Amino acid sequence: GAGVSQSPRYKVTKRGQDVALRCDPISGHVSLYWYRQALGQGPEFLTYFNYEAQQDKSGLPNDRFSAERPEGSISTLTIQRTEQRDSAMYRCASSDRDRGPSPLHFGNGTRLTVT
Amino acid sequence: LAKTTQPISMDSYEGQEVNITCSHNNIATNDYITWYQQFPSQGPRFIIQGYKTKVTNEVASLFIPADRKSSTLSLPRVSLSDTAVYYCLVGYTGTASKLTFGTGTRLQVTL
Repeated sequence: GAGVSQSPRYKVTKRGQDVALRCDPISGHVSLYWYRQALGQGPEFLTYFNYEAQQDKSGLPNDRFSAERPEGSISTLTIQRTEQRDSAMYRCASSDRDRGPSPLHFGNGTRLTVT
Repeated sequence: LAKTTQPISMDSYEGQEVNITCSHNNIATNDYITWYQQFPSQGPRFIIQGYKTKVTNEVASLFIPADRKSSTLSLPRVSLSDTAVYYCLVGYTGTASKLTFGTGTRLQVTL
């Protein structure tokens, strides 16, 4: 596609439910990043992949959060047993290099609301 | 990780030049400086990137002094549509790096 696509655009879930957020990067982009953004704040790093390998997951808040990118393209961020504090905008970005000064291309995000 | 410091907010009138400075005292040799623009309800959008000296594209210029401990994004003749949050990032896409956003600078342009 022309840009990074994220789905769903909005997700409302009840506390305790699991959610899966999907990111479809720009075709051919090898690096994929997940961020979380609270209102009025800058994006907060969660994790990133080069191809299918998860290079850094130090930003994941706790073990309820996980991410995968099994074929080096589409990625899924999963949050288990959601809590109200998980409510935020979740953003995905991709880059065409695994190393070097390559800009990030962001999707429009998934707005997660946990009730 | 190089930490960045930017002004929280700036105001400008339409048609003026706006300069936003970012401090990054701990920048590493391999790090690049990248600026992003973010409108409400949208993801950040790449504006410009540089390593040293001056870089110019169709929308902005980036000035980086020799010590690279700061950088200045220059927006010529801003319009109302330039009202947004601007983020300075220091780092690079790579296996040993994660790209961390600060709180950004909220630019408000008025008539």
